[in-house]
Amino acid sequence: DADVTQTPRNRITKTGKRIMLECSQTKGHDRMYWYRQDPGLGLRLIYYSFDVKDINKGEISDGYSVSRQAQAKFSLSLESAIPNQTALYFCATSDVGQGTDTQYFGPGTRLTVL
Amino acid sequence: QKEVEQNSGPLSVPEGAIASLNCTYSDRGSQSFFWYRQYSGKSPELIMFIYSNGDKEDGRFTAQLNKASQYVSLLIRDSQPSDSATYLCAVIGPTNAGKSTFGDGTTLTVKP
Repeated sequence: DADVTQTPRNRITKTGKRIMLECSQTKGHDRMYWYRQDPGLGLRLIYYSFDVKDINKGEISDGYSVSRQAQAKFSLSLESAIPNQTALYFCATSDVGQGTDTQYFGPGTRLTVL
Repeated sequence: QKEVEQNSGPLSVPEGAIASLNCTYSDRGSQSFFWYRQYSGKSPELIMFIYSNGDKEDGRFTAQLNKASQYVSLLIRDSQPSDSATYLCAVIGPTNAGKSTFGDGTTLTVKP
């Protein structure tokens, strides 16, 4: 089984709808992240959490919210989806305790907002 | 100026050649440097990380770091068509609270 899973893998929704993207991990890492990727662009950080009680905004948090339900679960919500939120969304984990802070990514969720 | 900049590419090399991918960063205090590979439609995966000035080799891949010039590169020797992907440079520095900042990536195509 994959260490970092994301659901759903694909989602088509309409403008104004509320949607939630879910991320689960079995790596036991404290740190979790949500990124979005647009064509030709790198990864832009939306929110990150260094432990269950720690939630921080990234560079593009407007229009998004998150919930860290447990060490293993980190959800991203779009309160009222808009077309320019159409993108590929990645969840990632890392464990600075291993000394590298390498990011481990989920398979991604492709979101289309019509 | 972007915090992490990469050659926009695309970069095309023939099979068997050396591919050279470059990355510069703006935070002089940056300490950790990563190269990720991302196949089209897939998630990024780590190729190498480097902390110290100089070269670090892993198989056909060599990462080179020059902190004085704020420059990190990735060399791929004996390039194979399976190396065709987008390569993302990521940097962790003191001003971004331990988070990775990614460049926009360089797309590499290895032609048979």
